[in-house]
Amino acid sequence: EVQLVQSGAEVKKSGESLKISCKGSGYSFSTYWLGWVRQMPGKGLEWVGVIYVGDSDTRYSPSFQGHVTISADKSISTAYLQWSSLKASDTAMYWCARRGYTSRWEGFDYWGQGTLVTVSS
Amino acid sequence: DIQMTQSPSTLSASVGDRVTITCRASQSISSWLAWYQQKPGKAPKLLIYKASSLESGVPSRFSGSGSGTEFTLTISSLQPDDFATYYCQQYNSYPITFGQGTRLEIK
Repeated sequence: EVQLVQSGAEVKKSGESLKISCKGSGYSFSTYWLGWVRQMPGKGLEWVGVIYVGDSDTRYSPSFQGHVTISADKSISTAYLQWSSLKASDTAMYWCARRGYTSRWEGFDYWGQGTLVTVSS
Repeated sequence: DIQMTQSPSTLSASVGDRVTITCRASQSISSWLAWYQQKPGKAPKLLIYKASSLESGVPSRFSGSGSGTEFTLTISSLQPDDFATYYCQQYNSYPITFGQGTRLEIK
């Protein structure tokens, strides 16, 4: 059974750093793209970026480039989303999700349970 | 970036109704479009990929159609469990982008 298990909720202050995680199981973690999606309170879904775990090829949304870093450690089947300096506007739920594959890469077929990040000013 | 625009933003319907949600892309995305259902506090769930392919385990009352720039998600006979928010997503090119969502509520 494919599972993505995310780290727990975080409460931080503006300016602090943070790294949240997403651990995959039940599939070959290193042969898939793993993405991150932000959802601010009461708002829609925003694509943050994706990483191909096998070679760490990473793509970012222009809206998030330079503010977050996506990484992965294939030896422990875990991907990460990190901030070096949080802002109050980073307060949101963050979802990790796996890109599916048929004859080419598709949408996100499996999702984690979400990590709520709360940043106070 | 490719902009995805959904309509309507909110849709009121009754159990048993047939409903259609539209998603328009700002440029052609071929058939590289997915539809998701999201309920409050829960992760999105993939319903449709490649514009019209039904994800495994998704009820057959859900269907998708379209190509190029215009796409639709149709629910043939609404069930109580279908009241949720629906999002389209293009993955033809980076950056991947989502529509703003359509909230399907009980009339």
